[in-house]
Amino acid sequence: AQTVTQSQPEMSVQEAETVTLSCTYDTSESNYYLFWYKQPPSRQMILVIRQEAYKQQNATENRFSVNFQKAAKSFSLKISDSQLGDTAMYFCAFMINNAGNMLTFGGGTRLMVKP
Amino acid sequence: ETGVTQTPRHLVMGMTNKKSLKCEQHLGHNAMYWYKQSAKKPLELMFVYSLEERVENNSVPSRFSPECPNSSHLFLHLHTLQPEDSALYLCASSQVHHGLGYEQYFGPGTRLTVT
Repeated sequence: AQTVTQSQPEMSVQEAETVTLSCTYDTSESNYYLFWYKQPPSRQMILVIRQEAYKQQNATENRFSVNFQKAAKSFSLKISDSQLGDTAMYFCAFMINNAGNMLTFGGGTRLMVKP
Repeated sequence: ETGVTQTPRHLVMGMTNKKSLKCEQHLGHNAMYWYKQSAKKPLELMFVYSLEERVENNSVPSRFSPECPNSSHLFLHLHTLQPEDSALYLCASSQVHHGLGYEQYFGPGTRLTVT
């Protein structure tokens, strides 16, 4: 079975600064996807970024980037130039490539961006 | 976000009531999911439907009964619930092709309170 661990239940960052959220996972699979989802206080879960395990290049999406360390089974999310709208719960998630449709989520990190 | 909609957004029900949650996706996806989100617990996958067939029933009690009449609609029928069933119930959809799945898109959730 796969497990996803987010060791930081809560974090805060000043507006315009950079913050990194950590995520580790455990799997014996070699072909999988990793995701970061954001859940603002309004509760709509939104996909932030995805990473295919076979790709060595770290995914980036505007101010969001990941540091994917496959050997260490680590998948951290870096948010640059933090904005007040980044305040949300952030969930790391894992999906095996050939399973088609099963996501395993971490417990989440609550991020507060302070003005 | 209007890709995945859920109704009602809030529901309060007694333990002897019968109610249903509705989810509709407008993204042309062929897989739909029910998740349970409780306080201080990771998201729990409850049911998965792929091409209108249930492919996963994650040890969910029989007081929860899913129904997927077509690829755009998903229901969760509730009866004789317990107070510990109070949670946010999230619906999601995704595209699955030849067993390969892609990112899931979530609805806003139904906040269920069982009294």
